[in-house]
Amino acid sequence: DVKVTQSSRYLVKRTGEKVFLECVQDMDHENMFWYRQDPGLGLRLIYFSYDVKMKEKGDIPEGYSVSREKKERFSLILESASTNQTSMYLCASTLLGDNYGYTFGSGTRLTVV
Amino acid sequence: QQPVQSPQAVILREGEDAVINCSSSKALYSVHWYRQKHGEAPVFLMILLKGGEQKGHEKISASFNEKKQQSSLYLTASQLSYSGTYFCGTGYSGGGADGLTFGKGTHLIIQP
Repeated sequence: DVKVTQSSRYLVKRTGEKVFLECVQDMDHENMFWYRQDPGLGLRLIYFSYDVKMKEKGDIPEGYSVSREKKERFSLILESASTNQTSMYLCASTLLGDNYGYTFGSGTRLTVV
Repeated sequence: QQPVQSPQAVILREGEDAVINCSSSKALYSVHWYRQKHGEAPVFLMILLKGGEQKGHEKISASFNEKKQQSSLYLTASQLSYSGTYFCGTGYSGGGADGLTFGKGTHLIIQP
């Protein structure tokens, strides 16, 4: 089974801190994604990457950046955390191509105080 | 723009049928369906592609109406295990490199 592992299940950070959320997948997937999930809003795409060192903005990239130095690892960075970034963050990966579903990690619940 | 899912929530008795709809204002290339149980990650159910066939099996299936830019998920003779939040994710180009845009979800509660 493909596994997508997010490093932390729960995280509490202070306003203004730089925050790193890590995601690792073990099945050689080209595509990786970061979503945030908020009640009543569904999943919203922050950033995605289809190759090492490549990154594309999603629908809500403001306040975030990403890094993909290795194929299996995709990091989400909150440059200066704010309370409105309190959310559940989900990482996903998939193979390139039309017929593949996403495999999601278990999520990181980030609280910014 | 997010696809619109309907209904927002539905409560059924075990054994009843459910239909969840997903509508897009943009021309669709693909539609994914996922189920998420409380506190867990979303789990992939199926994908439908433009020009493709209806997917699924006897109990859970889906259709894709290209003219209306809609997809529907059919849950037949629902089981308790079907409870959860269902999301559609829409893709607007081929190749799979772009991220999906997800709807806000449909909460499905199956009661004994």
